[in-house]
Amino acid sequence: GQQLNQSPQSMFIQEGEDVSMNCTSSSIFNTWLWYKQDPGEGPVLLIALYKAGELTSNGRLTAQFGITRKDSFLNISASIPSDVGIYFCAGSTNKLIFGTGTLLAVQP
Amino acid sequence: DTGVSQDPRHKITKRGQNVTFRCDPISEHNRLYWYRQTLGQGPEFLTYFQNEAQLEKSRLLSDRFSAERPKGSFSTLEIQRTEQGDSAMYLCASSLAGLGDGGELFFGEGSRLTVL
Repeated sequence: GQQLNQSPQSMFIQEGEDVSMNCTSSSIFNTWLWYKQDPGEGPVLLIALYKAGELTSNGRLTAQFGITRKDSFLNISASIPSDVGIYFCAGSTNKLIFGTGTLLAVQP
Repeated sequence: DTGVSQDPRHKITKRGQNVTFRCDPISEHNRLYWYRQTLGQGPEFLTYFQNEAQLEKSRLLSDRFSAERPKGSFSTLEIQRTEQGDSAMYLCASSLAGLGDGGELFFGEGSRLTVL
């Protein structure tokens, strides 16, 4: 199935560092969403973006919907150990298409 | 708990057996989605319903797979004559509005299938 290009594939950082990941697509999407998934669990919605150029924050998380509607990024500031997990971007028209995921590991 | 619930959480079966998964969406969510996720990959779309109508099916959904939502509430996903390649996490999700209309998708915890 189709998947979006997400980078980096993995990140290993120290607690307190900032993190940035992005997602690109060859297709235009109406909505971009970012999810976090812990092992053995379903994805949990972090942030939803509805307009091109929109910048939205949720606590330490900030995400932007690219102007071209073909990309999005997610920033996490001042990372903490519980940020560990796999982060997925997803673009939607009438269904969600997911990115390939970014594995984040945070060293205390 | 008013989130999306899936049952069973884990299923181990022998090749050739049939399995069925159930999903109960968030109340009043009229859209229900099934996704499949294999290790190291993002979830891949299988099919979705608006109320009881199945509106789209992915090419990933072979003839051995069938999904139903008979009363527009819970849904079942059946896999017949399971194969080892069917081993995956099967995720259900629901939304109140259409995704193109600003709807947000909320996922259940998934049903992990292992085919021996």
